Amino acid sequence: DVKVTQSSRYLVKRTGEKVFLECVQDMDHENMFWYRQDPGLGLRLIYFSYDVKMKEKGDIPEGYSVSREKKERFSLILESASTNQTSMYLCASSFGGTPDTQYFGPGTRLTVL
Amino acid sequence: QQQVKQSPQSLIVQKGGISIINCAYENTAFDYFPWYQQFPGKGPALLIAIRPDVSEKKEGRFTISFNKSAKQFSLHIMDSQPGDSATYFCAATYTGTASKLTFGTGTRLQVTL
Repeated sequence: DVKVTQSSRYLVKRTGEKVFLECVQDMDHENMFWYRQDPGLGLRLIYFSYDVKMKEKGDIPEGYSVSREKKERFSLILESASTNQTSMYLCASSFGGTPDTQYFGPGTRLTVL
Repeated sequence: QQQVKQSPQSLIVQKGGISIINCAYENTAFDYFPWYQQFPGKGPALLIAIRPDVSEKKEGRFTISFNKSAKQFSLHIMDSQPGDSATYFCAATYTGTASKLTFGTGTRLQVTL
């Protein structure tokens, strides 16, 4: 079974703090993704990576950065957290190819006070 | 820019009834249309998917109907069960996008006894 794990289920941070969200997959997948999920807005892609040290902006990259130093690990970084970044953050990975399936982690509920 | 429009936002269906969720897309380059199912506290998981060369795909009680000319596709859940209560996301992608998915806004389905 594919397993995608996220470092925290719940996280509470203060405005201005630097926040790290970690994601690890155990299936040697090429692609990894970070989404945020908000009611009524669905899943919106923040960043994705199709190889180690490679990254591409998604639809809403502002205020976020990412790091992929190892194939199995993809980190999302909020340089200076703001209240409008309070959300559910979902990590996913996929093997690549066509068609492809994304496998999601359980999510991290981040609250910025 | 909403490239995949999903409706309704929420749906209540009695046990044994048919649940229908609709999606419409704009980008004619899309060539793969998956549906993801998300239970509370879990990440989304692939439920069923279709390519535009067929008009219908059925897997158990779940059917995707696809209308290429209208740029619409829908998920039908026959004999809906309380265990089907979840949030459903339609999505779309096209070959060569490193598996990037464009998601709809989601439909929260509740199946009552």
